Amino acid sequence: DADVTQTPRNRITKTGKRIMLECSQTKGHDRMYWYRQDPGLGLRLIYYSFDVKDINKGEISDGYSVSRQAQAKFSLSLESAIPNQTALYFCATSAGAHGEKLFFGSGTQLSVL
Amino acid sequence: SQKIEQNSEALNIQEGKTATLTCNYTNYSPAYLQWYRQDPGRGPVFLLLIRENEKEKRKERLKVTFDTTLKQSLFHITASQPADSATYLCALDEDTGGFKTIFGAGTRLFVKA
Repeated sequence: DADVTQTPRNRITKTGKRIMLECSQTKGHDRMYWYRQDPGLGLRLIYYSFDVKDINKGEISDGYSVSRQAQAKFSLSLESAIPNQTALYFCATSAGAHGEKLFFGSGTQLSVL
Repeated sequence: SQKIEQNSEALNIQEGKTATLTCNYTNYSPAYLQWYRQDPGRGPVFLLLIRENEKEKRKERLKVTFDTTLKQSLFHITASQPADSATYLCALDEDTGGFKTIFGAGTRLFVKA
């Protein structure tokens, strides 16, 4: 079984719909992250959480929200999806004292029509 | 603004040769630099981390150098194999004390048999 599991793997939705992407981990790490990846732009940080009570915005948090339901679960929501949110989304965890050595899930390919 | 640059053009080399990938950064003073491997449709996988006080790090056929004066890291794969074909991402810690990892867009490597 994967250490960091993302669901769904693929999702197609329409503009204006609310979407939730889920992430769970069995690594026992406190730090969890959501990134999106666009061709030519690399990975960009959306939100990150250092524990259940600590949520922080990344560089591109507008249009997104997150929930840390437990140490092992970190979900990402798009309140009202728009086409430029079409991207590959990754959840990651880290055991490093400074957030290094990230472990990534397999990603969710989201298409907003 | 802070920036990480990796060659956007793919690198094509012959099996058995050494592949060298470059990562340059500006307006950062990172405490460490990381390299990840990403295969198509998969999440990045951590390879190596080198700290600011280290000049060189090795792991099997991989070698990383870190020159904080030039603001550059070189990533070498010796005796390259077709299985090394992938995209390689450079990543730095954002030096704001927020423990966030920032990624370059990556360089695609093709190793021909």
